[in-house]
Amino acid sequence: DVKVTQSSRYLVKRTGEKVFLECVQDMDHENMFWYRQDPGLGLRLIYFSYDVKMKEKGDIPEGYSVSREKKERFSLILESASTNQTSMYLCASSLSFQLGGKLIFGQGTRLTVV
Amino acid sequence: TQLLEQSPQFLSIQEGENLTVYCNSSSVFSSLQWYRQEPGEGPVLLVTVVTGGEVKKLKRLTFQFGDARKDSSLHITAAQTGDTGLYLCAGARQAGTALIFGKGTTLSVSS
Repeated sequence: DVKVTQSSRYLVKRTGEKVFLECVQDMDHENMFWYRQDPGLGLRLIYFSYDVKMKEKGDIPEGYSVSREKKERFSLILESASTNQTSMYLCASSLSFQLGGKLIFGQGTRLTVV
Repeated sequence: TQLLEQSPQFLSIQEGENLTVYCNSSSVFSSLQWYRQEPGEGPVLLVTVVTGGEVKKLKRLTFQFGDARKDSSLHITAAQTGDTGLYLCAGARQAGTALIFGKGTTLSVSS
């Protein structure tokens, strides 16, 4: 089964900590994405990447950065975690940006910042 | 401003009932996708519609893309408890752009 794997299902971190969320896909997809999902707000795009070492800001990049050193791995970094970054984080990948490109999602990481 | 508006936000029905979920926008989309998400999991793609007026069927689920490519609907016939979940629509404004998601419709089907 092809899949997107996120390193943690649940994570609890302290305010001010630097947090790394890791995502790996085994489908040789060019594109990878990080979304956060909050009740009443839906999925919001944080960052995406269409190639190794390439990144683009999404709708809510403030407070986050990303790293894509290898095609299969896309990391989301919270430089200094804050309580308003408590959320469900979803990583996804897709083969291309072509019309109707299908997203394959990971299982999500529920991050709590205390 | 939410580019994709989903309605209703919550739906609670009995097994065997029919239902329709709507996804509307004032913008034209090159394609629309529907995903279903179960608690504790990531969304899973159900269908993609790309042509205005297109209708696609997936067993008891019928998806329609509006003629003007600004709206879509998901109709479920004879709902089952296994249909319970969060239904999300997502659209691409242009080919080559990241998907925008609606806020979702939470469906609860009870026996």
